[in-house]
Amino acid sequence: GQQVMQIPQYQHVQEGEDFTTYCNSSTTLSNIQWYKQRPGGHPVFLIQLVKSGEVKKQKRLTFQFGEAKKNSSLHITATQTTDVGTYFCAGPRGATNKLIFGTGTLLAVQP
Amino acid sequence: GAVVSQHPSRVICKSGTSVKIECRSLDFQATTMFWYRQFPKQSLMLMATSNEGSKATYEQGVEKDKFLINHASLTLSTLTVTSAHPEDSSFYICSARDGQETQYFGPGTRLLVL
Repeated sequence: GQQVMQIPQYQHVQEGEDFTTYCNSSTTLSNIQWYKQRPGGHPVFLIQLVKSGEVKKQKRLTFQFGEAKKNSSLHITATQTTDVGTYFCAGPRGATNKLIFGTGTLLAVQP
Repeated sequence: GAVVSQHPSRVICKSGTSVKIECRSLDFQATTMFWYRQFPKQSLMLMATSNEGSKATYEQGVEKDKFLINHASLTLSTLTVTSAHPEDSSFYICSARDGQETQYFGPGTRLLVL
């Protein structure tokens, strides 16, 4: 079945370092969404990308959707301790409105 | 942004009892709500899609008789875990879609079955 994988599973950085998580889908996606889940919390919607090759920025976060619409990345510049959490990408299953979540990347930031 | 609430936030129950979890969209109507389950250090797994006024559709491997879903109004969906067992202990999260097809997640319910 359709799968969405993310690498790395876990990343530990020093505060101020950059961080990138990569998302790869086994199928082409009509859109890709990114969520952040703080420890003990629930997923919070960050952004949605729709167009092939699209790049969007939110302050220190840069999101990219691949040309083939099968992969995506989230890059955080100069991480802060508030960036700690698990970052999930998610895409629709086929032509449905059901979301398939990626495996997630847990980011730990050491002050 | 839109707000989705869940109640209760935490519940501890004895094995064999049933637990009802409510999911409400507070400031928008949601014809579709989704129920997810998340085990520790794992991703969210879709359990079922709750459709207002019709039967829920369940994902493969999810027992519909064990996880009863009722979507009685455009702002409320309930998930009842019947005859709960320790292996049902998990973090249950609902989401609701607004008219723009964005999904908003509730704060989740932590269920511990003793």
